[in-house]
Amino acid sequence: EIVLTQSPGTLSLSPGERATLSCRASQSVRSSLLAWYQQKPGQAPRLLIYGASSRATGIADRFSGSGSGTDFTLTISRLEPEDFAVYFCQQYGSSLSLTFGGGTKVEIK
Amino acid sequence: EVLLVESGGGLVKPGGSLRLSCAASGFTFSNYAMNWVRQAPGKGLEWISSISGSSGYKYNADSVNGRFTISRDNAKNSLYLEMDSLRVEDTAVYYCARDSGIGGYSNSLFDFWGQGTRVTVSS
Repeated sequence: EIVLTQSPGTLSLSPGERATLSCRASQSVRSSLLAWYQQKPGQAPRLLIYGASSRATGIADRFSGSGSGTDFTLTISRLEPEDFAVYFCQQYGSSLSLTFGGGTKVEIK
Repeated sequence: EVLLVESGGGLVKPGGSLRLSCAASGFTFSNYAMNWVRQAPGKGLEWISSISGSSGYKYNADSVNGRFTISRDNAKNSLYLEMDSLRVEDTAVYYCARDSGIGGYSNSLFDFWGQGTRVTVSS
């Protein structure tokens, strides 16, 4: 099983600042099948990024993903008030091979 | 608009059973694999079960294997999770999630989620 470690656990930033979230895998993620989800309190997760760098439908272009192999990054170029949330990474490809990271909380400083 | 609405959660004693449902609309249900993902209070996400569009393939996480059964009724656009021998550690919000995989097969990328239904296992 691939273990995904997200850092930092909490990121304290102000609106307008840049957020950089890390997701590190215990072994190489096949074909960069790495996704990012956003979850706000009391809400379901929402798919942001798939294939490490492709934005899902309707996702603002301030969200970008990068990386390959074992190191992946989600960047939010300029934080909007609605971006303060928890972000999870996930490696996927088949039902027999999927894991989630522990999450990074982006909070208002 | 894709809509997934879960129901059936509640309070149950350890060892008890519960059946969750997920009503789907806004897409051709039989063309997509479906999943259940849970989130314990204050914790991260845990995938627990997947079913292909035709019900030909079903997979469970080890943590629920032998206790939980996933099924679907394509005529009713509904997904189900039968949960038996419930344990305190099964306490969580349970989400149904659509799989983005092509042709009804799972690739475990979840493009739409319901709002969840809460299950509490406690004596």
